[in-house]
Amino acid sequence: RKEVEQDPGPFNVPEGATVAFNCTYSNSASQSFFWYRQDCRKEPKLLMSVYSSGNEDGRFTAQLNRASQYISLLIRDSKLSDSATYLCVVNRYSSASKIIFGSGTRLSIRP
Amino acid sequence: EPEVTQTPSHQVTQMGQEVILRCVPISNHLYFYWYRQILGQKVEFLVSFYNNEISEKSEIFDDQFSVERPDGSNFTLKIRSTKLEDSAMYFCASMGTSQETQYFGPGTRLLVL
Repeated sequence: RKEVEQDPGPFNVPEGATVAFNCTYSNSASQSFFWYRQDCRKEPKLLMSVYSSGNEDGRFTAQLNRASQYISLLIRDSKLSDSATYLCVVNRYSSASKIIFGSGTRLSIRP
Repeated sequence: EPEVTQTPSHQVTQMGQEVILRCVPISNHLYFYWYRQILGQKVEFLVSFYNNEISEKSEIFDDQFSVERPDGSNFTLKIRSTKLEDSAMYFCASMGTSQETQYFGPGTRLLVL
């Protein structure tokens, strides 16, 4: 089983739609969780951290369910500029050394 | 805003040649990383470096790979004898403390012919 699993997509939705991404992780010792965004041929960039209580940043909402080892990202009122690959990232910082990337979910927003 | 920088942006080399990829992490960061991403595939961890030594490495990071922090600013990845399958984008990242996230450089695209 992969340590971090995501639906690979691609998701192709119209502008203004709401999109939800899901991610599961296998290591219950995982300590911190993030969503990154990666544009084509660019580096991953932090979108938001994910906290147990859930957190929101504008149109983006992230949720964490430690019991189910499940992370989600919701994008409301999607824009053309949201088209990218969204990476679920898990950090086992008992060893601060290594973060594990999911394989990413591709999102394409159409006009 | 401080950022991680990498040079060169692109490198083409012949199979069997040595390459050195260079990174300048964010200046007050303590943890340094190399990742690679083969075209169309996921980002893969290679190695982490803290307190002037490797703290963790993946199975990809074999004897052909080495890392160095030769001075207070640069962090390098050396591939001793490149193989065709080393062709990938190589990302450097740095992190301030163990509870922060990592910041990535723009990457070096390596093509081995």
